[in-house]
Amino acid sequence: KNEVEQSPQNLTAQEGEFITINCSYSVGISALHWLQQHPGGGIVSLFMLSSGKKKHGRLIATINIQEKHSSLHITASHPRDSAVYICAVERDSNYQLIWGAGTKLIIKP
Amino acid sequence: GAGVSQSPSNKVTEKGKDVELRCDPISGHTALYWYRQRLGQGLEFLIYFQGNSAPDKSGLPSDRFSAERTGESVSTLTIQRTQQEDSAVYLCASSHYRAGITGELFFGEGSRLTVL
Repeated sequence: KNEVEQSPQNLTAQEGEFITINCSYSVGISALHWLQQHPGGGIVSLFMLSSGKKKHGRLIATINIQEKHSSLHITASHPRDSAVYICAVERDSNYQLIWGAGTKLIIKP
Repeated sequence: GAGVSQSPSNKVTEKGKDVELRCDPISGHTALYWYRQRLGQGLEFLIYFQGNSAPDKSGLPSDRFSAERTGESVSTLTIQRTQQEDSAVYLCASSHYRAGITGELFFGEGSRLTVL
């Protein structure tokens, strides 16, 4: 079993829909990262969090340390949100980052 | 510079040639990662530098791969005797590591390597 599991692997939705991407992990962590990669594009950090909730524009990230689970939400989704969203956790025992496989999101107009 | 800079952005080489890829991290960032991403695949960890500590080379796929970093600045990834399976985008990321936490990651645009 992978130490970081993302779901769903693929998600297609209509413009305007509320999107949720999930990340579950099985190791102790000091922080969790959400990143975005557009097709053929670079990787951009969206959030780094170790507790609670963070919001940036239409993006919201939450983490439940006890449940070892994080969610990334997109409100009022738009076609430009189409990208791969990647969760990565940082082990609390060392610097190592463990990467999820990514969720490919397609928002149709 | 404002972000992580990688060069070259594209490199086409013949099988058996050596290549060198460069990464200029954000000034002051002590942590530097190299990753490889094959077409349609996820990130594959290669090597990690943190300050003056010995680098973690556990992700390097073979002894044809090596990397160096000068202090907390530029890093170079060298691939000797390139093979077709080395074709990929090589990504560099840096962060300001402090208090046991990596910090926000900043990625370069990558160097796309094609081995003919």
